[in-house]
Amino acid sequence: GAVVSQHPSRVICKSGTSVKIECRSLDFQATTMFWYRQFPKQSLMLMATSNEGSKATYEQGVEKDKFLINHASLTLSTLTVTSAHPEDSSFYICSAEGPSQTDTQYFGPGTRLTVL
Amino acid sequence: GENVEQHPSTLSVQEGDSAVIKCTYSDSASNYFPWYKQELGKRPQLIIDIRSNVGEKKDQRIAVTLNKTAKHFSLHITETQPEDSAVYFCAASKDDMRFGAGTRLTVKP
Repeated sequence: GAVVSQHPSRVICKSGTSVKIECRSLDFQATTMFWYRQFPKQSLMLMATSNEGSKATYEQGVEKDKFLINHASLTLSTLTVTSAHPEDSSFYICSAEGPSQTDTQYFGPGTRLTVL
Repeated sequence: GENVEQHPSTLSVQEGDSAVIKCTYSDSASNYFPWYKQELGKRPQLIIDIRSNVGEKKDQRIAVTLNKTAKHFSLHITETQPEDSAVYFCAASKDDMRFGAGTRLTVKP
């Protein structure tokens, strides 16, 4: 089946620094990618929808200036957590939608961000 | 790390019949098991979840069972309707969530 990768799998950074997380669709072109955040012991929260070549659509309550999303190609979307703070520590998951609307989503393995 | 397997990958049932989707997980420390439904052209939505201190949970026509000893959990949909047709994902989580590959359910009228 289709594969979606994320890099890095784990990252530890100091408060105030920025961290970039990459999401790649390895064997298909993904016009749409989604970024989720998992809070402890809770389900996923959709942060934003990323469409190739256009601005991301953010969910209510998600700061677009803090969580910068770039979907520059059909196989790569990046999430940059700017000026990270300890409360940004979380597990971030991306998913990629297959090329047609009938396709399912394929989830990445996630990135564990720890901000000290 | 956690590994989640989901079966079957496709499932076709007649309207009114029951549908069962099964998942297994590898990390005995996982304690949260959500199920997501993705309708055609839409993003996944959480439909039901269960925690490891509970063996079964029911919400109208949907139920989830958890067997911690065997490390498997299942989604049961009774009296299926055409609008139940979708892709269903299971997931297991302690700290980091891992997803099954999904099951495409088709309910034939």
